[in-house]
Amino acid sequence: QSALTQPPSASGSPGQSVTISCTGTSNDIGAYKYVSWYQQHPGKAPKLLLYEVTKRPSEVPDRFSGSKSGNTASLTVSGLQAEDEAAYYCSSYAGLNNFHYVFGTGTTVTVL
Amino acid sequence: QVQLVQSGTEVKKPGASVNVSCKASGYPFKSYGVTWVRQAPGQGPEWLGSISPYNGNTYYAQKFQGRLTLTTDTSTTTVFMELRSLRSDDTAIYFCARLPPRRFDYWGQGTLVTVSS
Repeated sequence: QSALTQPPSASGSPGQSVTISCTGTSNDIGAYKYVSWYQQHPGKAPKLLLYEVTKRPSEVPDRFSGSKSGNTASLTVSGLQAEDEAAYYCSSYAGLNNFHYVFGTGTTVTVL
Repeated sequence: QVQLVQSGTEVKKPGASVNVSCKASGYPFKSYGVTWVRQAPGQGPEWLGSISPYNGNTYYAQKFQGRLTLTTDTSTTTVFMELRSLRSDDTAIYFCARLPPRRFDYWGQGTLVTVSS
């Protein structure tokens, strides 16, 4: 199972929006609605941002939103803030019978 | 509150085995799966496998079949990961995470495993 493809970097000024893509295949993103996104600050564990493409845990601000079309999912961070500077990873469920998962290659977001 | 607390740093020689524990608290242990993910230096996360504390069912990434074993101890609400025949490219931070359906919502703090001769 190959990793999902993300752009290595993205950037924006405070208050702007940035969108990160996550491209998989018809066996993972294209097959299921189970795409999740994680934020990771240096030296920390990943934190769940979105699940089932668009759902947010209660503690995650609505500046974070998600979408999916075909084999590609996207994360949009609106109203960029300094604390949004981090690495972002997508993940997809990839196996109905074997409960497998795959992660993305990661995107580092820089707030200019 | 939900917590997953992992065991400490490990240094192993090539060919050895490592055991990492993950103690869960703050939720009904048998109601959620636990997954293991590793992250090599400067790399993205990699899914290793998952286990259901309810029935002990395990699911392993094909890459780790035969080398990885996940187990649980429901009396201590602890999940264990054993990785055998270690190589230098197994050097990574290993994380456990709680697995409600199809997402990883709470993570352990991570355990650094270094494989070096």
